[in-house]
Amino acid sequence: GIQVEQSPPDLILQEGANSTLRCNFSDSVNNLQWFHQNPWGQLINLFYIPSGTKQNGRLSATTVATERYSLLYISSSQTTDSGVYFCAVNAGNNRKLIWGLGTSLAVNP
Amino acid sequence: DGGITQSPKYLFRKEGQNVTLSCEQNLNHDAMYWYRQDPGQGLRLIYYSQIVNDFQKGDIAEGYSVSREKKESFPLTVTSAQKNPTAFYLCASSISPTSPQHFGDGTRLSIL
Repeated sequence: GIQVEQSPPDLILQEGANSTLRCNFSDSVNNLQWFHQNPWGQLINLFYIPSGTKQNGRLSATTVATERYSLLYISSSQTTDSGVYFCAVNAGNNRKLIWGLGTSLAVNP
Repeated sequence: DGGITQSPKYLFRKEGQNVTLSCEQNLNHDAMYWYRQDPGQGLRLIYYSQIVNDFQKGDIAEGYSVSREKKESFPLTVTSAQKNPTAFYLCASSISPTSPQHFGDGTRLSIL
């Protein structure tokens, strides 16, 4: 089945810094989603982005479907950005989301 | 407000006991899902349901059971056959199986 790999596994930033998180997938996908899980466990859907670029405030995401990767950009990071960022994909006739293992982000004041 | 409600937030189980986790949504979504998350790990799919009165096993269904008698409700029972039930359980829903998934706040289950 399709494999989803995220990098880096861990990231530490100073407040105000920018960062790029990467998600590679091993086959063509129907959709791709980015999620943020805060330190209390709440999981928030950030982007639904099977291809192209989307922006929401300080966050943006780009998926290059032909090259099988997606990038999540965080600009001017804040302590509230801390948590784990997950990438998940849907492929072929599979109705299930396949999840990466996440990137754990810590933003220090 | 529309959303997904999971209860309880914390749950303790004795050895040999079945427990049921509640998941209710008022988003009018057809599809619902149960995931398990262990510390420092990603999400693993337990069961999912694409429509009322229908559900399918996910990747780790052994020791769990579900029902989908109403569109808005998808309870998960953790049976005594699940030997390592301590985990964080997340419920999600989506308009359709390939639409964005939205999550409840989760239930933390621990063994006494």
